Amino acid sequence: DAGVTQSPTHLIKTRGQQVTLRCSPKSGHDTVSWYQQALGQGPQFIFQYYEEEERQRGNFPDRFSGHQFPNYSSELNVNALLLGDSALYLCASSSIAGGRGNEQFFGPGTRLTVL
Amino acid sequence: AQSVTQLDSQVPVFEEAPVELRCNYSSSVSVYLFWYVQYPNQGLQLLLKYLSGSTLVESINGFEAEFNKSQTSFHLRKPSVHISDTAEYFCAVSASGNEKLTFGTGTRLTIIP
Repeated sequence: DAGVTQSPTHLIKTRGQQVTLRCSPKSGHDTVSWYQQALGQGPQFIFQYYEEEERQRGNFPDRFSGHQFPNYSSELNVNALLLGDSALYLCASSSIAGGRGNEQFFGPGTRLTVL
Repeated sequence: AQSVTQLDSQVPVFEEAPVELRCNYSSSVSVYLFWYVQYPNQGLQLLLKYLSGSTLVESINGFEAEFNKSQTSFHLRKPSVHISDTAEYFCAVSASGNEKLTFGTGTRLTIIP
């Protein structure tokens, strides 16, 4: 089992650009959540996708959008990048079918630097 | 709304000494509680979780945490720490395991040889 995988590992962009991050969930999982972890902070929930729809959303602007594909993989898109978007972006997967106690498994993250 | 407070941002401990990392939470509904560990330049790994039942939960590497509903706490303890325990520890709450996790700001555990 490969676990949760994310790509790319690192990314450098300039202000105003757009970026796409990718996540493949753990085998058997159908739900993907995205978190932003700024330096020295705890992860902040961005949104969650299930059955190709956004199921929950945190307090992030519309510049942050996502998508889930039929194979359960997911993308996080950020438009009009700001310096403050520099962070580690974490993807987590879980299984709705597994019940309420089913935990989320995290990937290694994508380190985004905005210059 | 839910919130998590980790009272200590940094905790230095001598090797083989005991440690307690504190976590308090606030929620208007019943919650599930988690401790995650993050080693340098890595993602988060689940250390242990409380869903229901026994209030004392244990991990495979010697950590334990006790859910205290009256004090809304979920402190993490280990009786004897090792150099390999050096990491950032995050407490988190969720209305269910599948829903959004609300994290604390983390506690950096440093083991002194």
